Amino acid sequence: SAVISQKPSRDICQRGTSLTIQCQVDSQVTMMFWYRQQPGQSLTLIATANQGSEATYESGFVIDKFPISRPNLTFSTLTVSNMSPEDSSIYLCSVRELAGGQGHNEQFFGPGTRLTVL
Amino acid sequence: AQKVTQAQTEISVVEKEDVTLDCVYETRDTTYYLFWYKQPPSGELVFLIRRNSFDEQNEISGRYSWNFQKSTSSFNFTITASQVVDSAVYFCALSAGNTPLVFGKGTRLSVIA
Repeated sequence: SAVISQKPSRDICQRGTSLTIQCQVDSQVTMMFWYRQQPGQSLTLIATANQGSEATYESGFVIDKFPISRPNLTFSTLTVSNMSPEDSSIYLCSVRELAGGQGHNEQFFGPGTRLTVL
Repeated sequence: AQKVTQAQTEISVVEKEDVTLDCVYETRDTTYYLFWYKQPPSGELVFLIRRNSFDEQNEISGRYSWNFQKSTSSFNFTITASQVVDSAVYFCALSAGNTPLVFGKGTRLSVIA
């Protein structure tokens, strides 16, 4: 299984600032995603990070607020821009490995970045 | 569109009791995958199981078992002889084809000693 690391693991930020979260995978993976988990809530998909092209955002999420980069098959960044207290959440990087002709899908998650916005 | 419903928000049991966590899903795709994840208080997501839509065999792994029934679109999870370490939030999730996982709202399980 893929091993995923995220930096930073947690941060406390001031309103109006931006934070960039890094996701590093120990192997090349086909698909990378970014999820948000607000306090006491489930996981919500922010976007699919596409290598070499613009990310694909889910309804309610926009590139200006959550710019994403994916320069290669093992690395991605998510920036939370112009933060407000409502952005306080855990942000999780996730990867999908496609294996075998039968389309077996494994999806793994990083340890998360716990963000608090004051 | 895919949807996952976990109707039980919170469950509390006494240690050694059996407990079943319900998961009902919706999808129009014939090929899909169902997952269960555990999120302990430490916050990381722990993968428990993946089941594809063509495999309706139930699965047992130690104290854990899963009951997949396509007829009722359900993929329920049972913990036998629960332990305090089972206390966590459990998420059921669905992926059709190569689409990203869609999660249910989760069920918070508390096992009391």
